[in-house]
Amino acid sequence: AQSVTQLDSQVPVFEEAPVELRCNYSSSVSVYLFWYVQYPNQGLQLLLKYLSGSTLVKGINGFEAEFNKSQTSFHLRKPSVHISDTAEYFCAVSQRGKSTFGDGTTLTVKP
Amino acid sequence: DTAVSQTPKYLVTQMGNDKSIKCEQNLGHDTMYWYKQDSKKFLKIMFSYNNKELIINETVPNRFSPKSPDKAHLNLHINSLELGDSAVYFCASSQESATGAGEAFFGQGTRLTVV
Repeated sequence: AQSVTQLDSQVPVFEEAPVELRCNYSSSVSVYLFWYVQYPNQGLQLLLKYLSGSTLVKGINGFEAEFNKSQTSFHLRKPSVHISDTAEYFCAVSQRGKSTFGDGTTLTVKP
Repeated sequence: DTAVSQTPKYLVTQMGNDKSIKCEQNLGHDTMYWYKQDSKKFLKIMFSYNNKELIINETVPNRFSPKSPDKAHLNLHINSLELGDSAVYFCASSQESATGAGEAFFGQGTRLTVV
């Protein structure tokens, strides 16, 4: 069985500050890892993904994430956030035929 | 062209009615899904189809029945709607590989309100 825990349900941050959204996962086998973003009244779209190879993954909009196998984590980071980054962020793990999503983290960027 | 499109975008209906939500993907993916997102934004998988075959059927009431006429379509039919069915329903698709599912592409969602 696989599961995903997003450690922060809400993260408020000021514009141009750095941010980290934390994600831990558990799985008995190797998995694929994803971060998705959901803007208000829209569907989810992919930010970045880890399948294999380099543990530091760069995505769209200046986001990056680091896969840490020993800590079973896949934290999302951005060095300087914008107002437009305000959204819901979901971490997900995928095995054959099934993706499991975390409960989401609401990132609110304040001016 | 929209990759994953679902209709309608909004659906308001009375308790006890039967309704359907349609989904189509033009990405050539072999796997399609239905997810339910509640008012707290929690996202839960309901069904997964691979090449028209049901793979995942999570614990959902049997009032919910998915139908996949072909690889590009996965419709969701709901009988005897209840207030608790109010949510946003997302269709998604992905391409399976030998070791796992690729990234999921989501539709814009259908906001179902049962009154």
